[in-house]
Amino acid sequence: DQQVKQNSPSLSVQEGRISILNCDYTNSMFDYFLWYKKYPAEGPTFLISISSIKDKNEDGRFTVFLNKSAKHLSLHIVPSQPGDSAVYFCAASEETSGSRLTFGEGTQLTVNP
Amino acid sequence: EPEVTQTPSHQVTQMGQEVILRCVPISNHLYFYWYRQILGQKVEFLVSFYNNEISEKSEIFDDQFSVERPDGSNFTLKIRSTKLEDSAMYFCASSELGSLSGNTIYFGEGSWLTVV
Repeated sequence: DQQVKQNSPSLSVQEGRISILNCDYTNSMFDYFLWYKKYPAEGPTFLISISSIKDKNEDGRFTVFLNKSAKHLSLHIVPSQPGDSAVYFCAASEETSGSRLTFGEGTQLTVNP
Repeated sequence: EPEVTQTPSHQVTQMGQEVILRCVPISNHLYFYWYRQILGQKVEFLVSFYNNEISEKSEIFDDQFSVERPDGSNFTLKIRSTKLEDSAMYFCASSELGSLSGNTIYFGEGSWLTVV
């Protein structure tokens, strides 16, 4: 199942700089997108979401951008903090079919002090 | 912050045995889910549950799997006869609403199932 793909398994950034995590999708029926963060031995924690009617959603240090024509979304974290080090999952859903989430593989973000 | 709790955190079982994974969703939530993540693979949807019925299930959720809400607080996933390939982290989740807009799906910490 390659409907949601995160091509970078890992990303390393310096504290204070911007982290950009990318996600691509193939299913044009997806109309709601989410980012989850996961620490080891914990469940995924919701971060931020965006509906397909928008191209940007911002919440504090986190901003999600959606490019529907390219079927691409990205998560920007500014400024990055060491506590942001975790695995970040992109997920997508077709709202018309309920709230079933299709996840990407995840990207391990490491923020170095 | 309210949380979804799962038990056990880790279970080792022999192939062919039945396993029940338990979850206590957030108290005012009405929609419940099970997802799983096989080591090194994606988090995958198994099933969603609302109003004491399965509302959606994936192709993974075959006849070996069942879900139940036996009382007002617990939500269980049963695997009738475990196979080696059932070894995975199983996540329970819950949400207040069924649609995603303006809603959040909260995940538990997971139950790690090892089938030997």
